[in-house]
Parts: sequence; C-alpha cells; structure tokens
Amino acid sequence: GDSVTQMEGPVTLSEEAFLTINCTYTATGYPSLFWYVQYPGEGLQLLLKATKADDKGSNKGFEATYRKETTSFHLEKGSVQVSDSAVYFCALTRMDSSYKLIFGSGTRLLVRP
Amino acid sequence: DADVTQTPRNRITKTGKRIMLECSQTKGHDRMYWYRQDPGLGLRLIYYSFDVKDINKGEISDGYSVSRQAQAKFSLSLESAIPNQTALYFCATSAPSGSGVEQFFGPGTRLTVL
Repeated sequence: GDSVTQMEGPVTLSEEAFLTINCTYTATGYPSLFWYVQYPGEGLQLLLKATKADDKGSNKGFEATYRKETTSFHLEKGSVQVSDSAVYFCALTRMDSSYKLIFGSGTRLLVRP
Repeated sequence: DADVTQTPRNRITKTGKRIMLECSQTKGHDRMYWYRQDPGLGLRLIYYSFDVKDINKGEISDGYSVSRQAQAKFSLSLESAIPNQTALYFCATSAPSGSGVEQFFGPGTRLTVL
C-alpha cells in the first residue's frame, strides 16, 4: 500500500543553520505531495505542496521538490529561526482518492538561539 | 475566529464511559474528517464524510462512530472508551476532490482514558 517515510527526529539545530528533513514515498501512479507543520498546541497547517514531478513547492523560506525518479520530497530551508521549532509531517494523496491523506510519522525540529 | 473548532480541547475519562468529541467549521466545505495522532505514528484516518448523507470508515474505525448533524458539524463518539484510545484527535475539512487539495485542521482534542 501507499506509505510515507520520514527521517527520525528530533532534529536540533542552531539558529541560521541549514535544514533538511528527508521524506520518501511509495505510491502507485502520480500522487500529490505535501508538507504540513504542527506548532506546539496547534493543529496541522499546510506548509507547501507539489502536484506533479519536478514541481517545487515553497513557502516561508521552506522548499521541497517532487522527485519522481527517487520518490522523494525532502524539505529544506537555508536559515532556520527559533520560530520554526515544530513537528513537520510529509504526506501524500493519490489522484483517485484525493481525500485520503497518508502521513509520515513526523519529524520534530528544535531550533536553539 | 478559527475556521475549524473542536470541543472539548482536553478530556479525561474512565474506561467504559461514552464520550463525544465535536467539530464545527465555517469554511463551507462539504468534506470533513476525523484523525487520531499517536506519538511516532503520524495521523491516521478514523472516519470521513463527503456530505451530510455520505459517511465512510477510514483505516481505524473500530471502536468509534460518527454523526454528521449538518454540513458544518461532524461529531466523533467513543461508545465505550478504552485506554488505548488515549490520543490526540483532529478534525479536518476540505473542498471537493482535486489534485493537491488542502485539508484544514482544527486545534485538536487531547483525550485520556484511564
């Protein structure tokens, strides 16, 4: 079945460091790919998305590129801030069941001043 | 005001009790969802509803039931709570089907079953 695998956390970085959170997926066809972020005490909110191969999603300095050849959608940011501390979830939906979000296990990011 | 609200935000109950979690939305979306979040497991879909008359089981529906009282309201019930239902529960909504459709999440209900 379809699945999403994320790197284990927590990831601890100093402010202004470069961030990469790895995400790979298994799915038939051409899924849409998402990164959701969960700040402490809040629900999930969409950070960025990509709906076809080679698309790059970007928002708030974060970027991720849909790589079909490596089935990956890694999240990157050039310079993290303390306010980026949160849990990040990679997820996918399939075209034929776009209601069904399949989530990775989440990666906690802690940014120290 | 929040677009998706959940009540209660926190609840502690005892094994065997019936409990209802409520979700309301002002986004005008037809589609609504209930998920549970467990540490290290991400979110898993419990039930989803495409409109008031269309309710479907998700991947982990056993022990749960739902009611779609109106387009804007979707409730989750635990008929007889058990400790392994201790989790964080999220309601979400979305617009109709399409590529890359975003889901909008409520703030969550933390449920503890003793």
